[in-house]
Amino acid sequence: QKEVEQDPGPLSVPEGAIVSLNCTYSNSAFQYFMWYRQYSRKGPELLMYTYSSGNKEDGRFTAQVDKSSKYISLFIRDSQPSDSATYLCASKLQGYQKVTFGTGTKLQVIP
Amino acid sequence: EAQVTQNPRYLITVTGKKLTVTCSQNMNHEYMSWYRQDPGLGLRQIYYSMNVEVTDKGDVPEGYKVSRKEKRNFPLILESPSPNQTSLYFCASKGQGAFHEQFFGPGTRLTVL
Repeated sequence: QKEVEQDPGPLSVPEGAIVSLNCTYSNSAFQYFMWYRQYSRKGPELLMYTYSSGNKEDGRFTAQVDKSSKYISLFIRDSQPSDSATYLCASKLQGYQKVTFGTGTKLQVIP
Repeated sequence: EAQVTQNPRYLITVTGKKLTVTCSQNMNHEYMSWYRQDPGLGLRQIYYSMNVEVTDKGDVPEGYKVSRKEKRNFPLILESPSPNQTSLYFCASKGQGAFHEQFFGPGTRLTVL
């Protein structure tokens, strides 16, 4: 079983839709939860991260962590064609450098 | 501009021909990693380095070597490449501490025939 599981998609939505991307994880000791965005032919870049449980909002993006169910979510409001990319969730232990990634969900926002 | 650079970006080679993929960062980061990305398997860590002369295996180290003689450089060496090492490779770096953003290079697409 992978430590971080993610539905690979692809997910196709119309412009303006609310997008929900989800991951589950198995290691209850994970404390940092991240979302990376990867455009085609580019390296991943950090979108946002949260520490422990709770929500974090940044513009149209909201990251949510529920440690009781080991569930990580990313919500994108008013999705734009420029949001079309692969989104990778990731987790790490406090005090350790290693980051464990999900397989990524490919999102396409259709104009 | 803060960045991680990798070279080459694309490489086609044959089985058994030694190759090196270079990685360099200009952010004075202590921690550097190599990942490979494969469909359905995601990003998997090959090797990492906590600082100069300190390297350790990641999740899939077989068939790879690394060295860290200078803080900014972290080359990935394939002594005898095989077709199962055909993949997309990323170098990454980050600062030490509670949480620091990990910066990725642009990737190297390697094909081993």
